[in-house]
Amino acid sequence: ELKVEQNPLFLSMQEGKNYTIYCNYSTTSDRLYWYRQDPGKSLESLFVLLSNGAVKQEGRLMASLDTKARLSTLHITAAVHDLSATYFCAVPKGFGNEKLTFGTGTRLTIIP
Amino acid sequence: NAGVTQTPKFQVLKTGQSMTLQCAQDMNHEYMSWYRQDPGMGLRLIHYSVGAGITDQGEVPNGYNVSRSTTEDFPLRLLSAAPSQTSVYFCATFTRQGGTSPLHFGNGTRLTVT
Repeated sequence: ELKVEQNPLFLSMQEGKNYTIYCNYSTTSDRLYWYRQDPGKSLESLFVLLSNGAVKQEGRLMASLDTKARLSTLHITAAVHDLSATYFCAVPKGFGNEKLTFGTGTRLTIIP
Repeated sequence: NAGVTQTPKFQVLKTGQSMTLQCAQDMNHEYMSWYRQDPGMGLRLIHYSVGAGITDQGEVPNGYNVSRSTTEDFPLRLLSAAPSQTSVYFCATFTRQGGTSPLHFGNGTRLTVT
């Protein structure tokens, strides 16, 4: 059974600091997705990581994938308040995206 | 272009009542799915469909029915609501055309069962 674990579950950090969110998964997969969710809102796709060693960057966020270690990281550089949200990673079961297993999410709060 | 539209946004049911959550998409995506989101548990897949006339169960299908008669619509039916079905429900779609795309989510339906 595929398990996806994120840590930390809660993260409170000051503006300007750097931090990393970790996503571990239990079975082989060559793809991983990161989503962002604002309170009371829907999920928004952030990154699609499609191969071992994939690295994607958007603004102050950078995601990477190590399929051999079954680990993805989401790095936040010089955090700003508008990055406060819950971040989810998700891994597909099998070949297609028909069955995504989501991590429990990391609730990130940026303190001024 | 509306994307994925879910109705209603909020619903309160009494135990034992039935209802249908609607999901419609205008992106011609072949795949549609329903997830539920509960605190501390991420999102869990209820049912999914890879095309009109084809549905399959996800991780937590009990108490829910689906059908897919058209590409655009994928309703989720609660047969006899239970308090354990209190949750936020998301419909999501994707397409394999053009490569591997992420899921596109609707805005969710917040359901409370008393």
